[in-house]
Amino acid sequence: AQSVTQPDIHITVSEGASLELRCNYSYGATPYLFWYVQSPGQGLQLLLKYFSGDTLVQGIKGFEAEFKRSQSSFNLRKPSVHWSDAAEYFCAVGAGNQGGKLIFGQGTELSVKP
Amino acid sequence: SAVISQKPSRDICQRGTSLTIQCQVDSQVTMMFWYRQQPGQSLTLIATANQGSEATYESGFVIDKFPISRPNLTFSTLTVSNMSPEDSSIYLCSVALDNRVNTEAFFGQGTRLTVV
Repeated sequence: AQSVTQPDIHITVSEGASLELRCNYSYGATPYLFWYVQSPGQGLQLLLKYFSGDTLVQGIKGFEAEFKRSQSSFNLRKPSVHWSDAAEYFCAVGAGNQGGKLIFGQGTELSVKP
Repeated sequence: SAVISQKPSRDICQRGTSLTIQCQVDSQVTMMFWYRQQPGQSLTLIATANQGSEATYESGFVIDKFPISRPNLTFSTLTVSNMSPEDSSIYLCSVALDNRVNTEAFFGQGTRLTVV
């Protein structure tokens, strides 16, 4: 069965510092991978997605993620964090052959220090 | 893209009662889903809302507790029945414009439910 693991429950970084959020997946075939962000009181917003092709994916708000099949990972990165990036980040994998159906990781809460 | 409106945005309910949450989409969509996000937890899929037929429930969720309707391609409801404090969660509606495996899912802002 598919699963997603986000090893870090909570991360704190200083504003302007780089960021990497970890995501590991378990899936037998080619995974369809997503990163979503949830700001307080808001719904989920898609940051980026990977289906095939170039393993380095660019997303919105300056985020990028790299798919590494050998490590079953899809880590999210940002070179310079802004205070407004403080939020909950969820990695997800497409579940089976049904579009839009997702399995989520536990989430990583990002705090940004001034 | 799709814009999703959920009502109510939040509610406080007495145990033993039921609450119906509405999900309205601004365009016709193929797939609609309901998720639960318990406090401090991730999102767990409750069911797929099928237009004109019974919803498809995930393991651990049953129709008697979470009846779902989807009368057309833009609207769905989720009812949380006979509520207990353990049902206190955020309930989110999600849609996909098509059934391709790589399609993006859009989310509503959620309904924050507190059961007292």
